[in-house]
Amino acid sequence: GENVEQHPSTLSVQEGDSAVIKCTYSDSASNYFPWYKQELGKGPQLIIDIRSNVGEKKDQRIAVTLNKTAKHFSLHITETQPEDSAVYFCAAIKGRGTYKYIFGTGTRLKVLA
Amino acid sequence: SQTIHQWPATLVQPVGSPLSLECTVEGTSNPNLYWYRQAAGRGLQLLFYSVGIGQISSEVPQNLSASRPQDRQFILSSKKLLLSDSGFYLCAWTAGTGDEKLFFGSGTQLSVL
Repeated sequence: GENVEQHPSTLSVQEGDSAVIKCTYSDSASNYFPWYKQELGKGPQLIIDIRSNVGEKKDQRIAVTLNKTAKHFSLHITETQPEDSAVYFCAAIKGRGTYKYIFGTGTRLKVLA
Repeated sequence: SQTIHQWPATLVQPVGSPLSLECTVEGTSNPNLYWYRQAAGRGLQLLFYSVGIGQISSEVPQNLSASRPQDRQFILSSKKLLLSDSGFYLCAWTAGTGDEKLFFGSGTQLSVL
């Protein structure tokens, strides 16, 4: 079955620097890759997603890149701010009508002021 | 717009007591509904999903059960809680139209003592 590996498990950056979180998936049929941000005591919030027919997507300070050949995708956060501190999860699923999201194990990002 | 409500936010229950967590979705019809559990500092484990009223699929054998008595209502239950049932429980939904986007509720922190 599908497996998603996420690295690093923790990441500390200085405010204003960039942060990159990487995920690798195993099932080449996966075609939808969302990223979630979870603040302490809250539910995960969808922040950006990408489909397999797109190589990159950007929304203000966050961007996601996808390399289908290598089967990995990455979250990029530029000009980090203290409010970016949270746990970030990647996920992969294949096709519409498939209900089993396979999540990565999460990355705890700390932005140091 | 669609919203998801989950309650209670926190719950402390003794071992052996029953459990009922409720989730409702507004602003959409025939959603797919999910229950996830998140152990402290851990990833997201899918417990149940439902594609319609009365249709429940279980992902892992456990002490819990789920029911969907109405289109937009999803209930997580247990007859007798175990210590190992402690965790952060999240309800989530996707549109029944096949849109892959998964949206989470605010979660219930359950402590079984």
